[in-house]
Amino acid sequence: DVKVTQSSRYLVKRTGEKVFLECVQDMDHENMFWYRQDPGLGLRLIYFSYDVKMKEKGDIPEGYSVSREKKERFSLILESASTNQTSMYLCASSWAGTASDIQYFGAGTRLSVL
Amino acid sequence: GIQVEQSPPDLILQEGANSTLRCNFSDSVNNLQWFHQNPWGQLINLFYIPSGTKQNGRLSATTVATERYSLLYISSSQTTDSGVYFCAATTGNQFYFGTGTSLTVIP
Repeated sequence: DVKVTQSSRYLVKRTGEKVFLECVQDMDHENMFWYRQDPGLGLRLIYFSYDVKMKEKGDIPEGYSVSREKKERFSLILESASTNQTSMYLCASSWAGTASDIQYFGAGTRLSVL
Repeated sequence: GIQVEQSPPDLILQEGANSTLRCNFSDSVNNLQWFHQNPWGQLINLFYIPSGTKQNGRLSATTVATERYSLLYISSSQTTDSGVYFCAATTGNQFYFGTGTSLTVIP
């Protein structure tokens, strides 16, 4: 079974802190994604990556950056956390090519910024 | 980007009842997926269905790509079916999620 692991289920940070959310997948997937989920808004794509050291902006990249130094790991970085970044963050991964549409999700990280 | 709309937003069912969830999308898509998010937040892929009909146990899905909609059928619902159901449309390399249908199945 594909496994996508997010480093924390719950996280509480203070305004202005630098926050790292880590995601690791064990299936050698080329594609990795970060979403945030908010009530009434569904899932919105923050950033995605098709390969090591490659990244593309999604719909709401402002206030976030990402890092993909190794194929299995995709990190989301909040440079200076703000209260409006309180949300559920979901990581996903998928194969490239014809199977790229099937995404596998991690369990999510619920981040609270105080 | 593509607009994805789901209906109804909320649904309460008695255990054993059947239901139909709908997903409309505003433009042509490469693919359409249905996901179930359990009460603990885990998203599980249910169906990968660009067109036609698929069945998996008590669940089935139909996508009519030419009319830009997909339906998810849940038969003989169980309390474990509770959660939020999302559809996601894919075009190019982008995924567009609907806002979900929150289903509560009561015993």
